[in-house]
Amino acid sequence: AQSVAQPEDQVNVAEGNPLTVKCTYSVSGNPYLFWYVQYPNRGLQFLLKYITGDNLVKGSYGFEAEFNKSQTSFHLKKPSALVSDSALYFCAVRDGDSGGYNKLIFGAGTRLAVHP
Amino acid sequence: DAMVIQNPRYQVTQFGKPVTLSCSQTLNHNVMYWYQQKSSQAPKLLFHYYDKDFNNEADTPDNFQSRRPNTSFCFLDIRSPGLGDAAMYLCATSRLTGEAFFGQGTRLTVV
Repeated sequence: AQSVAQPEDQVNVAEGNPLTVKCTYSVSGNPYLFWYVQYPNRGLQFLLKYITGDNLVKGSYGFEAEFNKSQTSFHLKKPSALVSDSALYFCAVRDGDSGGYNKLIFGAGTRLAVHP
Repeated sequence: DAMVIQNPRYQVTQFGKPVTLSCSQTLNHNVMYWYQQKSSQAPKLLFHYYDKDFNNEADTPDNFQSRRPNTSFCFLDIRSPGLGDAAMYLCATSRLTGEAFFGQGTRLTVV
């Protein structure tokens, strides 16, 4: 069965410090991995994706993610956190059994709180 | 500049009264999705369209229906809303294998 795990319900970080939001996955075949961010009462905003290529993927708003095949992880990172980064973050993987279209399996979400 | 637009942003409906949520897109994407999200949980896929082909998730209740009259528009119909259907409903679009773009969501309240 394909799945995504976000082991932390919440991550707290001080403004200006680096942040990491963890994600591990389990899929059959090559993983298509995504990160989305959700602000209160809003839809999900796409941050970045890994399909193939370099293991370090750069995305929107200064975020990046590192794909690690041996550890089946795709952690989201940012060198210097901003208070405005406080939001709910979802990791997602494309369901390999979805018959070709982009059905996403989402993790449970991690709430990031950046303190001034 | 908006790409996936959902209307209304907030909808209040009465228990058992049919309600329709709408979604439009300017991206000309083949695939449109409807997700249900409760209380900051992970979004749950209800169904999707690939062009006019409708695909229902196995665990989507019969109470939920959808229509896609053309490429740009997709509707979610809830025939008899119950209290448990109160949630944020998210519409998304994508090319066949590209990333999904989400609308702002419609928050449905059932009274």
